[in-house]
Amino acid sequence: DTGVSQDPRHKITKRGQNVTFRCDPISEHNRLYWYRQTLGQGPEFLTYFQNEAQLEKSRLLSDRFSAERPKGSFSTLEIQRTEQGDSAMYLCASSWDFSGYNEQFFGPGTRLTVL
Amino acid sequence: AQSVSQHNHHVILSEAASLELGCNYSYGGTVNLFWYVQYPGQHLQLLLKYFSGDPLVKGIKGFEAEFIKSKFSFNLRKPSVQWSDTAEYFCAVTPTGTASKLTFGTGTRLQVTL
Repeated sequence: DTGVSQDPRHKITKRGQNVTFRCDPISEHNRLYWYRQTLGQGPEFLTYFQNEAQLEKSRLLSDRFSAERPKGSFSTLEIQRTEQGDSAMYLCASSWDFSGYNEQFFGPGTRLTVL
Repeated sequence: AQSVSQHNHHVILSEAASLELGCNYSYGGTVNLFWYVQYPGQHLQLLLKYFSGDPLVKGIKGFEAEFIKSKFSFNLRKPSVQWSDTAEYFCAVTPTGTASKLTFGTGTRLQVTL
């Protein structure tokens, strides 16, 4: 399968713990995006990378959230000191940016439950 | 900043009925428009997209959408739905030329009954 993959698929943690999610984009894609989706809502943008550079961060991304894409390939999203409000599906997407046209391919998501 | 409105939150149709899901966006410039579908237990998949040219775009599985610039709308249509079309449908927008974040609507849950 050559689509976007995410690991783990499910994560249950206790409030206050740190969690880290991984995303592997489609191999030739230079852009990688993180979104968060809660029940009954559409995905909300968190941040995105072009190669290893983080180009934009949403105001939703508090100081407890950090994302990296160290070699321009896979990316990690870390949440420190998790809160119950962080419970959501975290989605990763990737695309190949050419002339500003942007078709994003989504992974299966990581469902986070904070107890 | 752009925004997207999907006014139909939950739609129930019988098989073979025609479908139209509304999507309106708010943005002052030119946009790229998308419809994504999420089948139960599966990840988001692109149904169709509009970048430029013919405002009537055709996607997979018999879906089509029409971009009406004057109405800021990009409604999704299908002449005859199937039970397998049961899913959640999301409209999304991004400003043309930025290749950046997608702004999604809240989604429409479609339930097709036999």
